[in-house]
Amino acid sequence: EAQVTQNPRYLITVTGKKLTVTCSQNMNHEYMSWYRQDPGLGLRQIYYSMNVEVTDKGDVPEGYKVSRKEKRNFPLILESPSPNQTSLYFCASGRQGMSSETQYFGPGTRLLVL
Amino acid sequence: ELKVEQNPLFLSMQEGKNYTIYCNYSTTSDRLYWYRQDPGKSLESLFVLLSNGAVKQEGRLMASLDTKARLSTLHITAAVHDLSATYFCAAENRPNNNDMRFGAGTRLTVKP
Repeated sequence: EAQVTQNPRYLITVTGKKLTVTCSQNMNHEYMSWYRQDPGLGLRQIYYSMNVEVTDKGDVPEGYKVSRKEKRNFPLILESPSPNQTSLYFCASGRQGMSSETQYFGPGTRLLVL
Repeated sequence: ELKVEQNPLFLSMQEGKNYTIYCNYSTTSDRLYWYRQDPGKSLESLFVLLSNGAVKQEGRLMASLDTKARLSTLHITAAVHDLSATYFCAAENRPNNNDMRFGAGTRLTVKP
């Protein structure tokens, strides 16, 4: 089954404790992206990657890091989480260069930073 | 920088009625997307609109794009309860079309 998976789905942590949210897709997509969703703000793009070893900042990259060492994986790293990073995070993937294509979203990771 | 605005943000409608959700974007964009999100769930793709005048329909939903007016609409025909969800539009932020900007979402409630 074609899908985007995220782990963990729920996470409670404390300020300053490094964490990683994993994202994996099995559709051989070149493009992957991370978003955060906050009430009243819609989704805001954090980082995206057009292919292995190619990443770029989105709208709200501060406080986040990403890496793309393999095509299928795109982890989101919070080196020193703060309470304002409490949010719902979505990973997405899509095919590059296909103008009719859309993104496929993972199930989301709900993060609470105390 | 691209800004995407949706109206209305909240919409309560009766079953059987028609309504339109509006999505305005501030600068030129190549593609416009519509997504649906059910409570507690992820986003599901509805439509991708690629050019001026594009119209796509799926069931009771029809989306259109007017690039000159920088406006996309999502029209709901004869609403049913199953359409209750939050609808998002999104546009690509030139010059880098992989930078996506979303609207705040329209929370639609369809009442019997």
